[in-house]
Amino acid sequence: QLQLQESGPGLVKPSETLSLTCTVSGGSIRNKNYYWGWIRQPPGKGLEWIGSMYYSGSTYHNPSLKSRVIISGDTSKNQVSLKLNSVTATDTAVYYCARQHVCTNGVCLDWLDPWGQGTLVTVSS
Amino acid sequence: QSVLTQPPSASGTPGQRVTISCSGSSSNIGSNAVNWYQHLPGTAPKLLIYSNDQRPSGVPDRFSGSKSGTSASLAISGLQSEDETDYYCAAWDDSLNGPYVVFGGGTKLTVL
Repeated sequence: QLQLQESGPGLVKPSETLSLTCTVSGGSIRNKNYYWGWIRQPPGKGLEWIGSMYYSGSTYHNPSLKSRVIISGDTSKNQVSLKLNSVTATDTAVYYCARQHVCTNGVCLDWLDPWGQGTLVTVSS
Repeated sequence: QSVLTQPPSASGTPGQRVTISCSGSSSNIGSNAVNWYQHLPGTAPKLLIYSNDQRPSGVPDRFSGSKSGTSASLAISGLQSEDETDYYCAAWDDSLNGPYVVFGGGTKLTVL
């Protein structure tokens, strides 16, 4: 059974870089059928897709965050990482990682399943 | 402001049928599949419906999805108290700024 677990600092200072890791167990991030995504939920707000990566390095990003986001993978550790730079208080959120299916036509990304439990990151000095 | 529009709240009594709408545009729902997630805050979101109307294994057939044009709906029949939580629709958006996944703002379902 595939499981994902997010980890990283729970507190980040404004203007610094938020760094999170998603450790995947029960399956390989090298699986050609899937991307691996990051999603966040600010307190009291809805879900926001951050971006997803393919094991080969191909990525898609939310245009509103693209300039600040790097999503990468370490196949030797079966991990996916998220880096978000120049953070502000508005980046405070629960961050989730999830496996993302590719559309049957191969030119888009589709449903997210399963998801990790999420990790709360607070941006504050 | 979410790209996909959902009502912020919905409610029903046990046993009742409730529907949650999700409105989009030609660049997202109009041209791509809709997926629905159930999310109890503090827990991992759960895939409820994929590809507009498909249920993953383990999801009760009380849950159903549909899509028409640039709108989609989630229907829950035989409402149960355990259904009281948040629901989100999502779809791929072929945005000119770069394609990406868009979510609805979420609907909080209350079982009265």
